[in-house]
Amino acid sequence: QVQLQESGSGLVKPSETLSLTCTVSGYSISSGYYWGWIRQPPGKGPEWIASAFYSETTYYNPSLKSRVTISVVASKNQFSLKLSSVTAADTAVYYCVRGIEVVPAVTVYKDVFDMWGQGTMVIVSS
Amino acid sequence: DIQMTQSPSSLSASVGDRVTITCRASQSIGTYLNWYQQKPGKAPKLLIYAASDFYTGVPSRFSGSGSGTDFTLTISSLQPEDFATYYCQQSYSPPLTFGGGTKVDIK
Repeated sequence: QVQLQESGSGLVKPSETLSLTCTVSGYSISSGYYWGWIRQPPGKGPEWIASAFYSETTYYNPSLKSRVTISVVASKNQFSLKLSSVTAADTAVYYCVRGIEVVPAVTVYKDVFDMWGQGTMVIVSS
Repeated sequence: DIQMTQSPSSLSASVGDRVTITCRASQSIGTYLNWYQQKPGKAPKLLIYAASDFYTGVPSRFSGSGSGTDFTLTISSLQPEDFATYYCQQSYSPPLTFGGGTKVDIK
């Protein structure tokens, strides 16, 4: 049974760096798939932040790209998120996710998020 | 960025009702459209991918359709456990984007 679990600071001061780690159990990251982060501000829809395949292929939401780094540590079966220069607008529940590829017929569909962590609330406040 | 617009933003329905939720993309996305269900305090769960294919374990009362810019999620007979918020997500091109959600509550 695949499980993802977020960990990290729940309270970050403005202008500082948010750091989160996702630990994966029941599946080896090195076996494949994409691993990513999605956040959801209170009362709003989800916002995709970034995804990575190992650390060789990464892609970011352009709206956050200048402040975000995603990295994969396959030996620990973990991946992480760093978001710098945070403001109150970065307050949200942060989820780590697995992004799979599916091929129902001929077409390959990427970025289908089939596994989610339980989420961790991060508040940006002084 | 591709904008995803859901309607309605909320609806009230009774157990046994047929419910339809609409998602519209700001440009054509083929069938690169996924649907998720989220209950309060929980992470979203994948229901449908590629516009109309069921994820493992999803009840057959859920169905998805559409292509291009217009998509629908239909619940054929609403059950008590279906009261939740539903989101669409396009996986056609990054940045991956979600709709604003449709909250289904009890009438």
